[in-house]
Amino acid sequence: ELKVEQNPLFLSMQEGKNYTIYCNYSTTSDRLYWYRQDPGKSLESLFVLLSNGAVKQEGRLMASLDTKARLSTLHITAAVHDLSATYFCAGYLAYSGAGSYQLTFGKGTKLSVIP
Amino acid sequence: DAGVTQSPTHLIKTRGQQVTLRCSPKSGHDTVSWYQQALGQGPQFIFQYYEEEERQRGNFPDRFSGHQFPNYSSELNVNALLLGDSALYLCASSRRQTYSNQPQHFGDGTRLSIL
Repeated sequence: ELKVEQNPLFLSMQEGKNYTIYCNYSTTSDRLYWYRQDPGKSLESLFVLLSNGAVKQEGRLMASLDTKARLSTLHITAAVHDLSATYFCAGYLAYSGAGSYQLTFGKGTKLSVIP
Repeated sequence: DAGVTQSPTHLIKTRGQQVTLRCSPKSGHDTVSWYQQALGQGPQFIFQYYEEEERQRGNFPDRFSGHQFPNYSSELNVNALLLGDSALYLCASSRRQTYSNQPQHFGDGTRLSIL
């Protein structure tokens, strides 16, 4: 069973500061996803990390994957208020025989960026 | 290009009743997954449908059942509703994993409240 843990669960940071959200997972996962969720809204895909050492960047967000350490990070650079949201990481577990898969989500990190 | 659409948006039921939620996948997607998201938690995988069959199931009781139609749309049925079934139910679609490294696309969800 794949388990995913995120920390911190709550993060309050000032605009302009940098911070990192950590995502640990328990067993081998081929891929790691990051999603953003605004209050009352659905999940928006941010990054798909497909291999060890993968790094992806979009604006002030950068995600990386270390499959050996079973760790992914989401780094926020010079935070702005618009980044306030809940961020989820999700591990991917494939069932090759059935041709199916499932995502296992962490509990999420609620980020509040204070002016 | 329409994304994932879910109906209804909100639903209020009483304990013991039955409910059906509906989902139309994003154009070009053939796989539908359902998730339950309790307040303040990450989404939890219920099951996945492909080619009109349930391919994978999470840790949910048999009260939760589903169906996929030839046009790839899907329904989630929950029988004998309990207070603990109150949650946001999310539908996500994707192309079958063999052919795509893209993320699942989520609908806006159905907010189910049990009184």
